[in-house]
Amino acid sequence: DVKVTQSSRYLVKRTGEKVFLECVQDMDHENMFWYRQDPGLGLRLIYFSYDVKMKEKGDIPEGYSVSREKKERFSLILESASTNQTSMYLCASSFGTSASYEQYFGPGTRLTVT
Amino acid sequence: GENVEQHPSTLSVQEGDSAVIKCTYSDSASNYFPWYKQELGKGPQLIIDIRSNVGEKKDQRIAVTLNKTAKHFSLHITETQPEDSAVYFCAAISNFGNEKLTFGTGTRLTIIP
Repeated sequence: DVKVTQSSRYLVKRTGEKVFLECVQDMDHENMFWYRQDPGLGLRLIYFSYDVKMKEKGDIPEGYSVSREKKERFSLILESASTNQTSMYLCASSFGTSASYEQYFGPGTRLTVT
Repeated sequence: GENVEQHPSTLSVQEGDSAVIKCTYSDSASNYFPWYKQELGKGPQLIIDIRSNVGEKKDQRIAVTLNKTAKHFSLHITETQPEDSAVYFCAAISNFGNEKLTFGTGTRLTIIP
């Protein structure tokens, strides 16, 4: 089974702190994604990566950056956390071929910024 | 860019009845439409998908229909069971170059025993 793991299930940080959210997948997937999930807004794409050291902005990249130094690991960075970044963060990965666009999700990290 | 609208936002049905969730999309170039189920405390999981060259697809109690002319697609769950209670998301891919999915806002389905 594909496994996508996220470093924390729950995280509480203070305004202005630098926050790292880590995601690891074990299926040698090419693509990795970071979403945030908010009630009534669904899943919104923050950033995605289709190869090591490659990244593209999603729909809501402001206030976030990402890093993909190794194929299996994709990190989301909040340079200076703000209260409006309190949310559920979901990481996903996919093979990256036309044969399958299925995205496999991690369990999520619920981040609270106080 | 693509815009996906999903209705209803909440849905309650008696166990054994059918449930239908509807989505519309804006980009006529979109041609892949997955449905994801998110159970409490878990990430979303793909349950069924359809490509634009097909009008309907079934997998046991779950079916998806696609109307490309009207740009809408629907999820049908028959003979609902308590384990069908979850949040369901529709999505669409409009740019196969980067596999960027645009999700709907979700439907919370509750099955009443």
